[in-house]
Amino acid sequence: GESVGLHLPTLSVQEGDNSIINCAYSNSASDYFIWYKQESGKGPQFIIDIRSNMDKRQGQRVTVLLNKTVKHLSLQIAATQPGDSAVYFCAEGWGSWGKLQFGAGTQVVVTP
Amino acid sequence: GAGVSQSPSNKVTEKGKDVELRCDPISGHTALYWYRQSLGQGLEFLIYFQGNSAPDKSGLPSDRFSAERTGGSVSTLTIQRTQQEDSAVYLCASSPGQPRYTEAFFGQGTRLTVV
Repeated sequence: GESVGLHLPTLSVQEGDNSIINCAYSNSASDYFIWYKQESGKGPQFIIDIRSNMDKRQGQRVTVLLNKTVKHLSLQIAATQPGDSAVYFCAEGWGSWGKLQFGAGTQVVVTP
Repeated sequence: GAGVSQSPSNKVTEKGKDVELRCDPISGHTALYWYRQSLGQGLEFLIYFQGNSAPDKSGLPSDRFSAERTGGSVSTLTIQRTQQEDSAVYLCASSPGQPRYTEAFFGQGTRLTVV
């Protein structure tokens, strides 16, 4: 079901380390997945997406991994920077119009 | 502008009053979502519009909440008889619908405070 009023788990990462944010999705029919980043006081913004015919996709400093067998999605951020501190949401899409459903979100805190 | 626009950006209202929140999606986007986000929490789905299809209202928390989308474009979320627990940021997002492998674009949100 939809994420409802859940307190966000927090991931603390030291600056320069790699971050891994995990997401378990719910619908085995989902065939499109997106990661969003939400900075304080702003709306979520697109980071990277992946379709179900792929298991890995790389962007600039970010990599998304998809494991359809266990319905698991992860976002890896290389060399985490203070500007990466934000809430990260995964979203899954399915159906003829690609309706999106969002996960609960993870708060990432980058420490010096 | 080319993005999703929400108004007002901030709204303070007295308990028991009705409020209307507006969302102008990106032109041509057929899908529109409303989400609610309380402080420090995740996105709570409220309602989804797709073209001329019947909206998915499964996330509306009570019958005090309603939304409409006129002409397949602008959407208004109405909260009647507001309560303090309605205080949150209300986010709107739109997506093209087709091609379907396209992300949704969010507005900056409306921060609602019920006093």
